[in-house]
Amino acid sequence: DTEVTQTPKHLVMGMTNKKSLKCEQHMGHRAMYWYKQKAKKPPELMFVYSYEKLSINESVPSRFSPECPNSSLLNLHLHALQPEDSALYLCASKFSVAGNTIYFGEGSWLTVV
Amino acid sequence: AQTVTQSQPEMSVQEAETVTLSCTYDTSESDYYLFWYKQPPSRQMILVIRQEAYKQQNATENRFSVNFQKAAKSFSLKISDSQLGDAAMYFCAYLDNDMRFGAGTRLTVKP
Repeated sequence: DTEVTQTPKHLVMGMTNKKSLKCEQHMGHRAMYWYKQKAKKPPELMFVYSYEKLSINESVPSRFSPECPNSSLLNLHLHALQPEDSALYLCASKFSVAGNTIYFGEGSWLTVV
Repeated sequence: AQTVTQSQPEMSVQEAETVTLSCTYDTSESDYYLFWYKQPPSRQMILVIRQEAYKQQNATENRFSVNFQKAAKSFSLKISDSQLGDAAMYFCAYLDNDMRFGAGTRLTVKP
C-alpha cells in the first residue's frame, strides 16, 4: 500500500468558517508534508512534520494550523481564510527525514468565498 | 536554501519524437535526490524518475531517462518516442530533508 489519502477532495468555505483538511497514510512513514499549489505554479512547501513533531514552518500565516495527532494522520485546520488562499493543498509522506521516496496524495481543492 | 531552476516554461514535441527538458539546481549538500514529476490536468503528482546523487549512472525508466551532471548541478529529462499521454506539466524536484520544486515546464505533444 503506497497510498496517501486526502479528504475532502473539494472544499468550499466562507471567510468566517472553520474547516479542516485531512491526510492519512498507513505506510509507516514518519515524515509528512503540506504543500500549497496555485494554478500554473509549482507546489510550495508549508509545513513538515517529523516523528509527529513540527520541524519546518515556512512562515505560513496562523490562519493555517497544522496538527499531527499520530504517525498516520496529518490535519490542516483552516480558519478565517482569504480568497487568495484558494488553491490545491497537497499532502505527502516519506519513510523518514532521510528517506528518498516521497508519496503525494491527490490533493484537496479549496475554494474560499 | 536549495533552489531548482527550470528555464523552459513551455516545450512542444511531435508525437514519436524525442524531447529534453532542462533543470539546474543549487545546493551545498553532497547527498540528495533529484526527481522529475509529471502533473496532468487532474493535478495528481506522478513520479516519473528518480536519481540518487551518489550514483554516477543515469537513471532510466522505459522511455524516460535523465542526464545527471553532478558537478554542473544539471538534471535534464529526456522523453523518447513521445506519446500524446505525455502531455502535462513537468516539475523537477530536489530532495534532502524536504522537497523543493522548479517552476515547471508545460509539455505539449502534437499528433
